[in-house]
Amino acid sequence: GENVEQHPSTLSVQEGDSAVIKCTYSDSASNYFPWYKQELGKRPQLIIDIRSNVGEKKDQRIAVTLNKTAKHFSLHITETQPEDSAVYFCAADQGAQKLVFGQGTRLTINP
Amino acid sequence: DGGITQSPKYLFRKEGQNVTLSCEQNLNHDAMYWYRQDPGQGLRLIYYSQIVNDFQKGDIAEGYSVSREKKESFPLTVTSAQKNPTAFYLCASGRDSTNYGYTFGSGTRLTVV
Repeated sequence: GENVEQHPSTLSVQEGDSAVIKCTYSDSASNYFPWYKQELGKRPQLIIDIRSNVGEKKDQRIAVTLNKTAKHFSLHITETQPEDSAVYFCAADQGAQKLVFGQGTRLTINP
Repeated sequence: DGGITQSPKYLFRKEGQNVTLSCEQNLNHDAMYWYRQDPGQGLRLIYYSQIVNDFQKGDIAEGYSVSREKKESFPLTVTSAQKNPTAFYLCASGRDSTNYGYTFGSGTRLTVV
């Protein structure tokens, strides 16, 4: 089955700097790669996703890149703000309507 | 709350007791899921259901049971066989393909007392 690894587990950046979180996956059949943001004590919320026929997708300060050959994808946040502080999860689909999640990255934005 | 409601928000269980967590969605989604989240860890799949009257075990199904009698509802029972049930439980629903992601409920925090 699919296995998703996410790095780093914690990330601290200065406000205004960029943050990058990386994930690798094992199943070459995976085609869908969403990213979720979870604030403390709240539910995860989808912030951006990418499908296998696209190499990059951008939404304002957030972008995701996908390298299917290498089986890795990354989340890029530019001009970070305090409200970006949260836990971020990557995921990959494993057919049968299932998503497999990475372990999460706790991002802290320092003012 | 985004079309998927979990209740209660907090739940306390005594040793040897079964408890049931509720999950209801009005998004007309076919698929529903239960995940367990422990501090500092990712989301681990307990059970999932792609259609009414059918469900599948996830990675950590032992000590849990589910039912899917209605499209809108997917309750999770934490049985006394689950030895370490203290965790944050998240329910999610999805359309008939994973290519649209999940919508999560707000979660139930279960504590054993």
